[in-house]
Amino acid sequence: DGGITQSPKYLFRKEGQNVTLSCEQNLNHDAMYWYRQDPGQGLRLIYYSQIVNDFQKGDIAEGYSVSREKKESFPLTVTSAQKNPTAFYLCASSIPGTTYNEQFFGPGTRLTVL
Amino acid sequence: AQSVTQLGSHVSVSEGALVLLRCNYSSSVPPYLFWYVQYPNQGLQLLLKYTSAATLVKGINGFEAEFKKSETSFHLTKPSAHMSDAAEYFCAVKRGTGKLIFGQGTTLQVKP
Repeated sequence: DGGITQSPKYLFRKEGQNVTLSCEQNLNHDAMYWYRQDPGQGLRLIYYSQIVNDFQKGDIAEGYSVSREKKESFPLTVTSAQKNPTAFYLCASSIPGTTYNEQFFGPGTRLTVL
Repeated sequence: AQSVTQLGSHVSVSEGALVLLRCNYSSSVPPYLFWYVQYPNQGLQLLLKYTSAATLVKGINGFEAEFKKSETSFHLTKPSAHMSDAAEYFCAVKRGTGKLIFGQGTTLQVKP
């Protein structure tokens, strides 16, 4: 079955620690995205990548970093510079170049800072 | 610049009643619009999308939406609510190259 996997499902972090969230897809999609979801705020774009070895900042990139070394993988690191990291993180992918850009989502990772 | 507004953060209906979730958009170009559904602690699933082929779009689980350019709306409807429809619903519009803007979300509660 093709799809997007995110791990872990739940993650706990102490203040001052960096953590990395995993996102893997076997849909053969070129484009991948990271969103942050907070109650009542919808989804906000953190970073996106349209092709391997290239990525761009989204609307709320401060305190986050990403890499795109493989087409299938787009890990997100939440650094200690992110002041309020507790949130639900969603990874998505799509086929770039399509007119309407339908995005497919993973199951999410809930990050809690202790 | 594109934007999306969902009217009503919470909507409550009785089982069997009409579901109406409102979405208004702002776009300087012909929009591509989407409705997604999210069940608790899960990712988003595409319900339907408007790509200019037809103004009335049918999606999964009996949902449909009508694109009205004059009203800049893309409201989601379902004739008869089921308990399993209880979830959060997001309207989104395509912006730029490969990105989406999401509304704030509407939580649908279905009462027995």
